[in-house]
Amino acid sequence: AQSVTQLDSHVSVSEGTPVLLRCNYSSSYSPSLFWYVQHPNKGLQLLLKYTSAATLVKGINGFEAEFKKSETSFHLTKPSAHMSDAAEYFCVVKGQNFVFGPGTRLSVLP
Amino acid sequence: GAGVSQSPSNKVTEKGKDVELRCDPISGHTALYWYRQRLGQGLEFLIYFQGNSAPDKSGLPSDRFSAERTGESVSTLTIQRTQQEDSAVYLCASSSSPNTEAFFGQGTRLTVV
Repeated sequence: AQSVTQLDSHVSVSEGTPVLLRCNYSSSYSPSLFWYVQHPNKGLQLLLKYTSAATLVKGINGFEAEFKKSETSFHLTKPSAHMSDAAEYFCVVKGQNFVFGPGTRLSVLP
Repeated sequence: GAGVSQSPSNKVTEKGKDVELRCDPISGHTALYWYRQRLGQGLEFLIYFQGNSAPDKSGLPSDRFSAERTGESVSTLTIQRTQQEDSAVYLCASSSSPNTEAFFGQGTRLTVV
């Protein structure tokens, strides 16, 4: 069975500083992995996906994630945070269905 | 359509009443998923439809919950005899195949009073 752990329930960064949101997964086979973002009172939007091609995946709005099989990790990064990045971020592994992590709330301070 | 459409966007119902939530997936998407998101929490899988295969109902929390899908089109999620703990946002998603990303609707916010 697949599962996802997001190590931080809340991350706070200053505008212009790097963002790191951590995700570890468990999967019995080569996984498909995704990051989704949910802005307040808005729907879920796909940021990026990994489906066994390049291990470094680039997404929208300057985000990227690196798949590391040896560490079973798929951490999300961005070099410079913007105020508009403040949202809830979900790491997701695809098995029979999409298994969501508990989410990390990102706050961006001015 | 352009995206996944859910209706109603908001629903307030009295405890004990039945409710029906509707999801229109993206045209041509064979996979359809229902999730529940309680306030401040992550997404809880409910049910998954893939083409004409038998649905995966493993996430339905009780027999008060049921869902149907006609072919590869509209799906309805029905909650019978609603309880206050059913209050949540119910999200529908569709994907073009089992291994591609899912596109989510805006959700139906259900409040049971």
